[in-house]
Amino acid sequence: GAVVSQHPSRVICKSGTSVKIECRSLDFQATTMFWYRQFPKQSLMLMATSNEGSKATYEQGVEKDKFLINHASLTLSTLTVTSAHPEDSSFYICSASGPLNEQFFGPGTRLTVL
Amino acid sequence: AQSVTQLGSHVSVSEGALVLLRCNYSSSVPPYLFWYVQYPNQGLQLLLKYTSAATLVKGINGFEAEFKKSETSFHLTKPSAHMSDAAEYFCAVSLSGSARQLTFGSGTQLTVLP
Repeated sequence: GAVVSQHPSRVICKSGTSVKIECRSLDFQATTMFWYRQFPKQSLMLMATSNEGSKATYEQGVEKDKFLINHASLTLSTLTVTSAHPEDSSFYICSASGPLNEQFFGPGTRLTVL
Repeated sequence: AQSVTQLGSHVSVSEGALVLLRCNYSSSVPPYLFWYVQYPNQGLQLLLKYTSAATLVKGINGFEAEFKKSETSFHLTKPSAHMSDAAEYFCAVSLSGSARQLTFGSGTQLTVLP
């Protein structure tokens, strides 16, 4: 099946710094990638949808200037959490959608902001 | 708009016992329904999906789900639980006929007791 990777799997950073998370589709071209946030013991909340070569579409309540999304190629999307604060600590999961419109999920990135 | 309700945030069963995880949906049009499993610190893996073909859908790892329009339900079952089934399970709905626009339920944590 289709494989989606995320890097890093875990990151700890200081408050005020920026963190970049990569999402790659390893064996297919993803026209659309999704970024989700998951708090402990809660469901996934869609943050934004990104299409290759265009600006991301953010869900209501998600700050686009804080969560920068770049989808520069059909196999790579990045999420940058700018000026991170402890409340940004969460589990971030990406997914990639291929030609059959199914979503394949990455393994997630655990972000801890001190 | 569509929504999904998962009854029971925690379900415990004994090894070898029947697994039943409940999911009810709300949708103004015929929905497409999915079940995903999430192991600790990992992304989501698709178990099965209903896309308006057979109402009884068989998935991976011995799981199956039945779409019941009259009850607006899509409960997940497995005849005999295995220790490796312990995980978080999410029901999701889409109106688009694909998994591109998923709305997730709140999740059910399944514990399998020896």
